[in-house]
Amino acid sequence: GENVEQHPSTLSVQEGDSAVIKCTYSDSASNYFPWYKQELGKRPQLIIDIRSNVGEKKDQRIAVTLNKTAKHFSLHITETQPEDSAVYFCAAPNTGFQKLVFGTGTRLLVSP
Amino acid sequence: EADIYQTPRYLVIGTGKKITLECSQTMGHDKMYWYQQDPGMELHLIHYSYGVNSTEKGDLSSESTVSRIRTEHFPLTLESARPSHTSQYLCASSLRTSGARGETQYFGPGTRLLVL
Repeated sequence: GENVEQHPSTLSVQEGDSAVIKCTYSDSASNYFPWYKQELGKRPQLIIDIRSNVGEKKDQRIAVTLNKTAKHFSLHITETQPEDSAVYFCAAPNTGFQKLVFGTGTRLLVSP
Repeated sequence: EADIYQTPRYLVIGTGKKITLECSQTMGHDKMYWYQQDPGMELHLIHYSYGVNSTEKGDLSSESTVSRIRTEHFPLTLESARPSHTSQYLCASSLRTSGARGETQYFGPGTRLLVL
């Protein structure tokens, strides 16, 4: 939707713990929700996405859940590793689907 | 290999100079975007394009201009660089959306600009 809120802004976990990042969106017509990972000095890269016809999608240690009624979606990382340390961005299409509206980012730090 | 390219990767320039940041993609994507991002911070959309001869301003007011004469090429120009333009500029592309479908955006490696 036009507004995408992302929390928390920073997240520190111990290696092996789980991490959860949450986003809310405002446009109920939004139907595509990607997550991007940006490592230090690198470009943002898509790690997982979900479309509104499913409630959950998993890819190894990462999963995304979608609650259309509440208009929020979450990224779940299990068994975190130091290489998961990065900034993560959620996104959703704007009204009219011309572009993606990105969240403000979550800096995840995984300590060994 | 299909990818999205940006040049230069790093640029240090004096105030008042005209600069053009290049972006090219070989993925056959119709839509292209320019974002401004301070390292690790929010992504701010400054321009986007649906295809040849189409350009739109983004959410962040910018003194830059763009052109789209060829599908694969989407350069960004600053007529007179200022220290406030110091930032990272990321180019991205995606397939043209159709109706309610959203498509993945693929990002270039970025250009880090320092205006003295």
